Amino acid sequence: DGGITQSPKYLFRKEGQNVTLSCEQNLNHDAMYWYRQDPGQGLRLIYYSQIVNDFQKGDIAEGYSVSREKKESFPLTVTSAQKNPTAFYLCASNRGEAGELFFGEGSRLTVL
Amino acid sequence: GQNIDQPTEMTATEGAIVQINCTYQTSGFNGLFWYQQHAGEAPTFLSYNVLDGLEEKGRFSSFLSRSKGYSYLLLKELQMKDSASYLCANMDSNYQLIWGAGTKLIIKP
Repeated sequence: DGGITQSPKYLFRKEGQNVTLSCEQNLNHDAMYWYRQDPGQGLRLIYYSQIVNDFQKGDIAEGYSVSREKKESFPLTVTSAQKNPTAFYLCASNRGEAGELFFGEGSRLTVL
Repeated sequence: GQNIDQPTEMTATEGAIVQINCTYQTSGFNGLFWYQQHAGEAPTFLSYNVLDGLEEKGRFSSFLSRSKGYSYLLLKELQMKDSASYLCANMDSNYQLIWGAGTKLIIKP
């Protein structure tokens, strides 16, 4: 079955540590996205990539980094520079412009 | 600025009908999406409207008025499993989705 796999589902981090969230898709989608979800707020775009080896900053990219070395993979690193990293992180993909988004199950990051 | 507004929370009774409204003000328009999200899970696609009018899909229907910047999601014959958050999102002129904060729908027996 095709889909998007995020890991880990739950992650705890100490302040000052970088963590990397994995996102893999086997839908053959060109575009991939990372969103952050906080209570009472809409999804906010962190980074997106429309093609391999290219990515763009979203609305809240500060303190995050990504790479897109393979079509299937779009890992997100939450760096120590992110001041408030505790959140639910969602990875998504689609065929490109105007396409329906397919989401992974999410990764919940808690900073201790 | 870009803005999507939807009610924070709604309550309805099992078997009834509920309408969740969404108003938007964004730079450009390339379609209006509705997603369902159960607590702690990923959003799942419900509907996409790009032309004015009503799109029906089983128990769920979605309506769009581009001139009014308005959409609604209509849920009929409510079931307990419909308890979830419903997210409205507008695709702007750059084909980026602008998301509302979601409407938490509580279904009571």
